[in-house]
Amino acid sequence: EVQLVESGGGLVKPGGSLRLSCTASGFTFSNVWMHWVRQAPGKGLEWVGRIKRKTEGETKDYAAPVKGRFTLSRDDSKNTLFLQMNSLSTDDTAVYYCTTSISLDAFEIWGQGTMVTVSS
Amino acid sequence: ETVMTQSPATLSVSPGERATLSCRASQSVSSNLAWYQLKPGQAPRLLIYGASTRATGIPARFSGSGSGTEFTLTISSLQSEDFAVYYCQHYNNLSTYTFGQGTKLEIK
Repeated sequence: EVQLVESGGGLVKPGGSLRLSCTASGFTFSNVWMHWVRQAPGKGLEWVGRIKRKTEGETKDYAAPVKGRFTLSRDDSKNTLFLQMNSLSTDDTAVYYCTTSISLDAFEIWGQGTMVTVSS
Repeated sequence: ETVMTQSPATLSVSPGERATLSCRASQSVSSNLAWYQLKPGQAPRLLIYGASTRATGIPARFSGSGSGTEFTLTISSLQSEDFAVYYCQHYNNLSTYTFGQGTKLEIK
C-alpha cells in the first residue's frame, strides 16, 4: 500500500525549533520529488517547499514565508523526508502534510498530517 | 506569481443537485490545474489533474473543465460524502504550486 506517515509535530514556543519527519512506503521513494504543504487553523492549503531527487542534486525550493527558516532534507536509505523548522512564529501554527507525485505532476499521495502549534 | 481565486467561498446545495465550483488564474496556467477535496481530520484527496482528468478511483460524477485562466469543477449529483472544502491548485514544477483559497460545499 502506498503510504506517507508524518510525525514530529507538537507544541513549541515562539522562536523555537521543531523537526518533522515523513516516512514513505509502497513506492520507490528515491525516484520522487517530495513536498510539504500546510493548513493553518481556519485557513486554506499553503505549499511550503519541495525537494527533488538525489540524481537532481536534491534541489530545494521554498515558499516565501518560510525561506531562510525551514530546511528540507531526505534520507533515501530510510525512505524519509524531513522538515527542519527554526525561528518559529505563531503564524507557523498549522497541520503539516507531506505529499508527492508518483506518476503525475499533481499531488496524488498525501499523509494524514501532523499538527504544529507555536504558542507561549 | 500566479494568484488562484476560487468562487464562491461557500456554496449551499441540496443532495442530488449539481454543484459548480470556479477557479480563476491571474495569468494563463495552461492545463496545469488540479482539484483537491479536504475533509476535517482527513488527508487531502486529489480529484482532478490536468484540468480535466479524474484521478484514480474518483467517481464519474466529478468532472473538471477549462484551460488558460478559467476552470470549473462540477459535481453532477451531490452525495452526502461530497460535502467538504475544495481547492484548486496551479502546478508547473518550477517551484510554483499555488492553491486557491478554497470553496466550502455545504448542505442546503
